[in-house]
Amino acid sequence: QSVLTQPPSVSAAPGQSVTISCSIGSSYIGRNYVAWYQLLPGTTPKLLIYDNNKRPSGIPDRFSGSKSGASATLSITGLQPGDEADYYCGAWDSGLSVVWVFGGGTSLTVL
Amino acid sequence: EVQLVESGGTLIQPGGSLRLSCAAAGFNFRTYSMNWVRQAPGKGLEWVSFISGSRTTMYYADSVQGRFTVSRDNAQNLLYLQMNSLRAEDTAVYYCVRSAADGDRPFDYWGQGTLVTVSS
Repeated sequence: QSVLTQPPSVSAAPGQSVTISCSIGSSYIGRNYVAWYQLLPGTTPKLLIYDNNKRPSGIPDRFSGSKSGASATLSITGLQPGDEADYYCGAWDSGLSVVWVFGGGTSLTVL
Repeated sequence: EVQLVESGGTLIQPGGSLRLSCAAAGFNFRTYSMNWVRQAPGKGLEWVSFISGSRTTMYYADSVQGRFTVSRDNAQNLLYLQMNSLRAEDTAVYYCVRSAADGDRPFDYWGQGTLVTVSS
């Protein structure tokens, strides 16, 4: 079981908003920044959010991130059919050994 | 434009060895840490390994520690992953991934991936 826990799936209708949670099960990760990745079918992962709440250039402001204590959240507003994808949170775990961990991924369905 | 192109993936028997390569272009390779990330069929993303720009620091996932070795050639802008004692559970698409800077930063660019299939 990953130290980053995501719901397996979420769904919402076009135009609505959705949040995807990432529960952090390690204090070593809790100190570090969380990133979010979007994996569209047939494509490679794309960085959506880094340092908890920053967007790389080119990422629409419909995507936002936050982190509070042992939980991080990805929010998507104004859902579009093209947002249907798998979403992963990730962070460095600087515990006994330094490793990057991904959450298990959340499949977003736009109804 | 950042480009990462992996190669070397193939069908290989359990217990075998394989070396993956990643050719980087479009950025100052030696000033960025690099990683390997894999995705097994129908599974999620799994980070495999990290190497710093100066090659002085490497990290590995527990699942590959002692079997895989990451290296890089900064003169040729190449990243490698030497995989030994391969197991069926190593079957995956392997991505070459750039960290956003030199150090433990998130990943900002991904290659298209190369498929490794471990099967008899």
